[in-house]
Amino acid sequence: EADIYQTPRYLVIGTGKKITLECSQTMGHDKMYWYQQDPGMELHLIHYSYGVNSTEKGDLSSESTVSRIRTEHFPLTLESARPSHTSQYLCASSDRGNTEAFFGQGTRLTVV
Amino acid sequence: ILNVEQSPQSLHVQEGDSTNFTCSFPSSNFYALHWYRWETAKSPEALFVMTLNGDEKKKGRISATLNTKEGYSYLYIKGSQPEDSATYLCAFYNGNTGKLIFGQGTTLQV
Repeated sequence: EADIYQTPRYLVIGTGKKITLECSQTMGHDKMYWYQQDPGMELHLIHYSYGVNSTEKGDLSSESTVSRIRTEHFPLTLESARPSHTSQYLCASSDRGNTEAFFGQGTRLTVV
Repeated sequence: ILNVEQSPQSLHVQEGDSTNFTCSFPSSNFYALHWYRWETAKSPEALFVMTLNGDEKKKGRISATLNTKEGYSYLYIKGSQPEDSATYLCAFYNGNTGKLIFGQGTTLQV
């Protein structure tokens, strides 16, 4: 069973609010990823990290930011939420590129 | 091929049918090709991770092959069962950038 957790699972929030989506893993994985998925669409990589103090932007431009101060923790922050940010956000981690990635349960965000 | 592309987008088969899907990926900067199974209301779970050209992996009725020179992988399901209904995702790990990029998936209904 994967030891990677995302909170909250569901979030409805008003426009302009600051939000942080949490992602934690207890497997000691160096690589962590954030994906965004709109309904019926593919997983788009928005951020990833090689390890502590490393963060990189993915292929899909995003107004969100991430940090990696601890190995186990990779939070994603939106400074000012907008309805266009409404989506599902999935966090994943892996030991290396040639080993499987483990996914959290996802956060379904709705901005009203 | 610049992106990861999967075909078909969706597939409806009868119980007992065998089926296969295709994943095309860039042939440069290849490091690994992943296959995942994603059931409704669950998280994606890994089926295989393949790294070598000519690799073949098998797990029960599901198997996969890899051709890194031409940039494609096939996933095969033998004797499909209703519990095989899910979306099957492939992902390309770029050894140069460290990105794990997913295709759009193939949704199978049995």
